[in-house]
Amino acid sequence: ILNVEQSPQSLHVQEGDSTNFTCSFPSSNFYALHWYRWETAKSPEALFVMTLNGDEKKKGRISATLNTKEGYSYLYIKGSQPEDSATYLCAFNAGNNRKLIWGLGTSLAVNP
Amino acid sequence: SAVISQKPSRDICQRGTSLTIQCQVDSQVTMMFWYRQQPGQSLTLIATANQGSEATYESGFVIDKFPISRPNLTFSTLTVSNMSPEDSSIYLCSVEGAVGANTEAFFGQGTRLTVV
Repeated sequence: ILNVEQSPQSLHVQEGDSTNFTCSFPSSNFYALHWYRWETAKSPEALFVMTLNGDEKKKGRISATLNTKEGYSYLYIKGSQPEDSATYLCAFNAGNNRKLIWGLGTSLAVNP
Repeated sequence: SAVISQKPSRDICQRGTSLTIQCQVDSQVTMMFWYRQQPGQSLTLIATANQGSEATYESGFVIDKFPISRPNLTFSTLTVSNMSPEDSSIYLCSVEGAVGANTEAFFGQGTRLTVV
């Protein structure tokens, strides 16, 4: 059974703080690792799709790293803003029939 | 990219009734995916809807409970049949941006279902 774990489960930070959270996934049969942001009452929105060990990707104040050998990815948010408040989901793809295995998410609340 | 319109956004239903959720995509796509997120659980794939053939269901999900239609390459419906409180969840439809497992997924806005 493939398992994807995210930590912490929830996080409260002050505006301007930088933060990071973790996604752990199986280190065998790696194909891709996805990060999504899901705001309440909106569609989940893709942040990154990462495929290569050592990959680092950046979108504005958000960046992510990938270690496929040890099976983890970090998501970083620099200078958090209230609009960053959302649940951040990661999903692992082992390449079999394109199915994504999802973590429970990290719920981030940024206080103004 | 793909824009998906999902309806209804939320509903409160009586147990024993059925609800049909619709997803309309702004472009033609080969596969559409239906997910469920029960309270406190991760997103779980229910089935993959293919145009012109029967949907492929994941372990634990059956066609009688979750019938799916895929009449063309831009539209799909998921019905939650004979509902019980355990079916209270967020239901999401999804498509891939392009063929290939390394592309991002696009989602509808979700249907928040409460069964009473």
